[in-house]
Amino acid sequence: NAGVTQTPKFQVLKTGQSMTLQCAQDMNHNSMYWYRQDPGMGLRLIYYSASEGTTDKGEVPNGYNVSRLNKREFSLRLESAAPSQTSVYFCASSEYTYEQYFGPGTRLTVT
Amino acid sequence: SQQGEEDPQALSIQEGENATMNCSYKTSINNLQWYRQNSGRGLVHLILIRSNEREKHSGRLRVTLDTSKKSSSLLITASRAADTASYFCATDARSGNQFYFGTGTSLTVIP
Repeated sequence: NAGVTQTPKFQVLKTGQSMTLQCAQDMNHNSMYWYRQDPGMGLRLIYYSASEGTTDKGEVPNGYNVSRLNKREFSLRLESAAPSQTSVYFCASSEYTYEQYFGPGTRLTVT
Repeated sequence: SQQGEEDPQALSIQEGENATMNCSYKTSINNLQWYRQNSGRGLVHLILIRSNEREKHSGRLRVTLDTSKKSSSLLITASRAADTASYFCATDARSGNQFYFGTGTSLTVIP
């Protein structure tokens, strides 16, 4: 039982490049989330998926797209990376709005 | 804008002392949760308190909730060096399936 896994752990991109962050959970949770965490700030919600087949924008969705591939997997795509997207990205899952389980994070640097 | 704000931003105490941190939020909630984040790691759930509860205990943790003041406090008793971490409150929005995290309190417990 791995919980929530994220790949990659670290990534460096040049401005304008694209990439997809992968997230998978093995707890059969309905809801999945993508957050970003910047220094000195809490987590800000980028997108979430309340159930398989649905996705909704969070607080800071601009510049990102998501795909809920199936109940287990929820990916985050940066189509054209910008330096402002340098951050630590966390994926989480939960059963509705109960306890969230977090992945270890992806540290992304955009130069 | 973020729903929750923690106070103080940073707290430094001696091992064995109690640590209290506070969280204020803006709108009606279903529940409020507290999470811990060790440096470089994902968040770990500590405790959830529902809007109809006033106090909850879990081991050395005590959480209170005052919905009339839209505030919560987390008390860690008999602190240990291993409690050194950042602590975040998270609230859900009554209208949706989103979580809102505060900016966190950085706790340092000096051995």
